[in-house]
Amino acid sequence: GAVVSQHPSWVICKSGTSVKIECRSLDFQATTMFWYRQFPKQSLMLMATSNEGSKATYEQGVEKDKFLINHASLTLSTLTVTSAHPEDSSFYICSAPRDSKNIQYFGAGTRLSVL
Amino acid sequence: QKEVEQNSGPLSVPEGAIASLNCTYSDRGSQSFFWYRQYSGKSPELIMFIYSNGDKEDGRFTAQLNKASQYVSLLIRDSQPSDSATYLCAVDTSGGYNKLIFGAGTRLAVHP
Repeated sequence: GAVVSQHPSWVICKSGTSVKIECRSLDFQATTMFWYRQFPKQSLMLMATSNEGSKATYEQGVEKDKFLINHASLTLSTLTVTSAHPEDSSFYICSAPRDSKNIQYFGAGTRLSVL
Repeated sequence: QKEVEQNSGPLSVPEGAIASLNCTYSDRGSQSFFWYRQYSGKSPELIMFIYSNGDKEDGRFTAQLNKASQYVSLLIRDSQPSDSATYLCAVDTSGGYNKLIFGAGTRLAVHP
């Protein structure tokens, strides 16, 4: 079964609104989680590393004020896309490493469409 | 800039054949190597992981690692149409924090 749960799986919103995506580790604690974005026919691009109890680490070129990450507990990280615009439409995926072998498990992904 | 390179394909093989997928990486400090399969519209799922030089077999899948050549490959024996997907090679970064760098993926098409 799934070890990482991600919700919602699909969201449509109006331009200018904010959208929150949740990523939960099931049956294990994740001090670190990762958020990726994937455009059609392209590979995964790491957006940020979510750290439990501290600030997220953003990759170069990712606006931290636009993509707010909160990792308030050992099993939950959230990504909020603020003031979404059509160019933010994409497939957002979270992952979490489950053990010391650095095996990362992915959530099912969230398809965001901004009208 | 740490990179992971893959041939984008598509790699087309007949059903029952061996599919060979290749990946090179630039960071000599990388220690962990992964192959993920991604069906269209879905998130990646782990197929294989390998840490040591040589071969690692799991069912129809064999991962091969050569750290000296900075090369990792995935062989799929007895390919099935259900294997048709994009295969992503992922490599950890020597900077730690479990961060992975993904290749662009190779699209595999297995035709009956």
